[in-house]
Amino acid sequence: NAGVMQNPRHLVRRRGQEARLRCSPMKGHSHVYWYRQLPEEGLKFMVYLQKENIIDESGMPKERFSAEFPKEGPSILRIQQVVRGDSAAYFCASSPQGQETQYFGPGTRLLVL
Amino acid sequence: DQQVKQNSPSLSVQEGRISILNCDYTNSMFDYFLWYKKYPAEGPTFLISISSIKDKNEDGRFTVFLNKSAKHLSLHIVPSQPGDSAVYFCAASSTSGTYKYIFGTGTRLKVLA
Repeated sequence: NAGVMQNPRHLVRRRGQEARLRCSPMKGHSHVYWYRQLPEEGLKFMVYLQKENIIDESGMPKERFSAEFPKEGPSILRIQQVVRGDSAAYFCASSPQGQETQYFGPGTRLLVL
Repeated sequence: DQQVKQNSPSLSVQEGRISILNCDYTNSMFDYFLWYKKYPAEGPTFLISISSIKDKNEDGRFTVFLNKSAKHLSLHIVPSQPGDSAVYFCAASSTSGTYKYIFGTGTRLKVLA
């Protein structure tokens, strides 16, 4: 019973580069959520996706950030033209159905130089 | 606008005693509440949840209490063990919405041997 998997665990990018974060939900889970944690803060909701659909992206910055959850393969959180303020831990969670408990992956720690 | 608040950044408790972690919320639409435990460099681990139709839920050493009129919930850990030392986050969601979780800023629990 593999849990939620995220890769890479650590990612270093220079300002202006692209960051691509991947999330494979638990087996049988079709709902994926992305959260961001800045240092010394709680987790902040970014986006909620089901297969091939974005359900709620109210927490996503309007520019440079995008997310997808294709029919096949992992969910991807993409950050274009990264800036130092994007440095954070990005967590993915999954649930079987929308109203059920979300289980989190280990996170990807993004550092922008 | 912090809808979920954990006003104690840290708490120290002797091994074997009770740990009480508190959480307040402001949004009356929240009807599902959870507690997660987080170790450094790991993702949050689900501990226990409670629906607004209940005022108490118990799972082993962990009990969550919900006071809807006060918009307050608490997590009791008894007896506390050194392995419980971690950061604890409370989270809230509205099952009539898109199930995104709103997290508090966390309480760092240290259980002293």
